[in-house]
Amino acid sequence: GENVEQHPSTLSVQEGDSAVIKCTYSDSASNYFPWYKQELGKRPQLIIDIRSNVGEKKDQRIAVTLNKTAKHFSLHITETQPEDSAVYFCAARNSGNTPLVFGKGTRLSVIA
Amino acid sequence: DAGVIQSPRHEVTEMGQEVTLRCKPISGHDYLFWYRQTMMRGLELLIYFNNNVPIDDSGMPEDRFSAKMPNASFSTLKIQPSEPRDSAVYFCASSPGVGLEKLFFGSGTQLSVL
Repeated sequence: GENVEQHPSTLSVQEGDSAVIKCTYSDSASNYFPWYKQELGKRPQLIIDIRSNVGEKKDQRIAVTLNKTAKHFSLHITETQPEDSAVYFCAARNSGNTPLVFGKGTRLSVIA
Repeated sequence: DAGVIQSPRHEVTEMGQEVTLRCKPISGHDYLFWYRQTMMRGLELLIYFNNNVPIDDSGMPEDRFSAKMPNASFSTLKIQPSEPRDSAVYFCASSPGVGLEKLFFGSGTQLSVL
């Protein structure tokens, strides 16, 4: 089955700097890669996703890139703000009716 | 729509007691998932249902865990007997019938077993 590794487990950045979180996946058939954000004490919520037919996707200050050959994808947050502080989860799934497999999460702290 | 609704938000119980967690998915969603979140293991899928039928329960850690979905608007996750290592946040999530992609999570149940 699919296995998703996520790094780093914790990340601290100064406000205004960029943050990058990386994930690798094992199943080359995987074709959908979402990112979820979980604020302290809240539920995880989808913030951006990318499919395998696209190499990059951007939404304001967040972007996701996908390298199918290397089987890794990354989340980029630019001009970080304190409200970006949260746990971020990457996930992957392959075609067919299989559930998402999540990474273990990255705790991002943006220091003002 | 109120989203996925879970109850209780917090549960504190003693080892050996039975615990029942409840979930109401978003109306019209065909898939329902139970996840467990811990610091060490992140978000683990325990079991998921499609149209009220359990599809994959391979993530259920032990026979002490059981889940049911008697109808499209209600599911339970039961732990009997509970143990301290079951302490975690348990999330229920639902997904529309088109694939298993976007998940809508409930607020979670923080379970503490003393």
